[in-house]
Amino acid sequence: AQKITQTQPGMFVQEKEAVTLDCTYDTSDQSYGLFWYKQPSSGEMIFLIYQGSYDEQNATEGRYSLNFQKARKSANLVISASQLGDSAMYFCAMREQGAGSYQLTFGKGTKLSVIP
Amino acid sequence: KAGVTQTPRYLIKTRGQQVTLSCSPISGHRSVSWYQQTPGQGLQFLFEYFSETQRNKGNFPGRFSGRQFSNSRSEMNVSTLELGDSALYLCASSREFGGRKGYTFGSGTRLTVV
Repeated sequence: AQKITQTQPGMFVQEKEAVTLDCTYDTSDQSYGLFWYKQPSSGEMIFLIYQGSYDEQNATEGRYSLNFQKARKSANLVISASQLGDSAMYFCAMREQGAGSYQLTFGKGTKLSVIP
Repeated sequence: KAGVTQTPRYLIKTRGQQVTLSCSPISGHRSVSWYQQTPGQGLQFLFEYFSETQRNKGNFPGRFSGRQFSNSRSEMNVSTLELGDSALYLCASSREFGGRKGYTFGSGTRLTVV
């Protein structure tokens, strides 16, 4: 079974609009962390936001927020006021705290295109 | 401060050859992880090193190996290259447990096997 599922291969959003990128995860661990990374065409993975499984509040980092619904095992990324520079691949990832906790498991990614 | 540095950026090798990729982590980061990214398989974990010890290894054949030096710099080696090894290889560094900031990635080494 896929541990991280991103169901949207590609998304389009108008500049200055908000967009939600979906992510669902599967784990039996009680303690885990969820990450979102941005990968521009240059290849570097850029950390955006983190949500811990025990965090009671949804994480926010500037224009990025994470809509964390633990019971549904979803961790959707919301980008507000999209900018042209937001066009990139976006990856959801999970770090489980059990055995093998030193690795990230990634989803397949969503390609976001921001339209002027 | 300097980010994670991966060298070389691009590499073309012939089937059957071997290759060594290098990663210099952020100063003070003692954990280095390697990932392979391909269009078909996406991002897959290769291995992770901390204080010169491999703590975790992904599901890759023994042709893929790595090591970490006392200054935390890491190398990965792929022997007997196959066409399917063509990929972007990403290195990531972190403090011991990554924490809430997770891992800082380098720009990757794009390996093409012909």
